[in-house]
Amino acid sequence: GENVEQHPSTLSVQEGDSAVIKCTYSDSASNYFPWYKQELGKRPQLIIDIRSNVGEKKDQRIAVTLNKTAKHFSLHITETQPEDSAVYFCAASKGKIIFGKGTRLHILP
Amino acid sequence: NAGVMQNPRHLVRRRGQEARLRCSPMKGHSHVYWYRQLPEEGLKFMVYLQKENIIDESGMPKERFSAEFPKEGPSILRIQQVVRGDSAAYFCASSPPGQWDTGELFFGEGSRLTVL
Repeated sequence: GENVEQHPSTLSVQEGDSAVIKCTYSDSASNYFPWYKQELGKRPQLIIDIRSNVGEKKDQRIAVTLNKTAKHFSLHITETQPEDSAVYFCAASKGKIIFGKGTRLHILP
Repeated sequence: NAGVMQNPRHLVRRRGQEARLRCSPMKGHSHVYWYRQLPEEGLKFMVYLQKENIIDESGMPKERFSAEFPKEGPSILRIQQVVRGDSAAYFCASSPPGQWDTGELFFGEGSRLTVL
């Protein structure tokens, strides 16, 4: 079955700097790659997703890139703000949605 | 349109008791996922159901755990003879018809199980 690896597990960046989170997946048939944000004690919520026929997608300060050949995809957050502090999960889907273990992002003042 | 509703939000059980967690999907959604989240860990897939049918239960432990999504009523995740290692947050998510693996999952607030 699908296996999703996510790195780093923890990331601290200065406010205003960029943050990058990387994921790899194992099943080349996976065709949908969402990213979820989970604030402390809250439910995960979708922030951006990308499908296998697209290499890059951007939504304001958030962008995701996908390299199907290498089976990896990344989340980029620019101009980070305090409210970006949360746990971020990548996921890959082929029949069911499998999540990575998460990255705890700390935005330092 | 109410979101995904889970209850109870918090449940305390003693070892050996049964836990029943309920999930009502968003209106119009026909598919339900259950995920388990241990403290400081990710979302581990357990089971994926549509009404009256288990589509994929490859993430469910072989013993003590079962799930159903009847024609009427909420989806239920049942854990028999709970042990301390079952303590976790259990999240339910739903998705619209036709988008069960390529569309947004709408999560409930989770049910936090504590086994004493």
